[in-house]
Amino acid sequence: QKEVEQNSGPLSVPEGAIASLNCTYSDRGSQSFFWYRQYSGKSPELIMFIYSNGDKEDGRFTAQLNKASQYVSLLIRDSQPSDSATYLCAVIEGAQKLVFGQGTRLTINP
Amino acid sequence: EAGVTQFPSHSVIEKGQTVTLRCDPISGHDNLYWYRRVMGKEIKFLLHFVKESKQDESGMPNNRFLAERTGGTYSTLKVQPAELEDSGVYFCASSQGVYYGYTFGSGTRLTVV
Repeated sequence: QKEVEQNSGPLSVPEGAIASLNCTYSDRGSQSFFWYRQYSGKSPELIMFIYSNGDKEDGRFTAQLNKASQYVSLLIRDSQPSDSATYLCAVIEGAQKLVFGQGTRLTINP
Repeated sequence: EAGVTQFPSHSVIEKGQTVTLRCDPISGHDNLYWYRRVMGKEIKFLLHFVKESKQDESGMPNNRFLAERTGGTYSTLKVQPAELEDSGVYFCASSQGVYYGYTFGSGTRLTVV
């Protein structure tokens, strides 16, 4: 099975700074990657989906994919306290299955 | 649109008992998935339905777990008999396809004592 590795954190970032979350994956053939956000006690919600090398931007969020180095990252600009959550990286395995990393707990300090 | 609904939200049962979890997906979503998060571990895939058919059940831990999806609508996940290691949060998700992203339910926290 594919493996997805994330630093569990916690990662603390001051409000207004850039939060950088990283994820590495084991299968060089992996094509598509997802970032989900999960607030404590809540369900995961999709933030970004990326499948091409390079950057993909959506508002304050930028996903970066480097297939040669087998890593995908998520940058959050102008971090807000409401961004404090666990961020889950996931990769598709097979037709429809997602393989998740353990998640990185992010805390934005006012 | 209504989201993915799961119930119960919490269940505490004794080892050896039976528990049935229910998931109501978003209307019109043919794909329904069950995932589980055991404490301290990552969220792991259990199985995937397309309408009423099991497309992939490679993640089901053993034959104590039985999933069904009646008429391609709601789904149930039965654990019989429950063991201590079955404790965790069971998430259901539905989608029009994985590339559209999943919509997760709020999960059922199962505790086996």
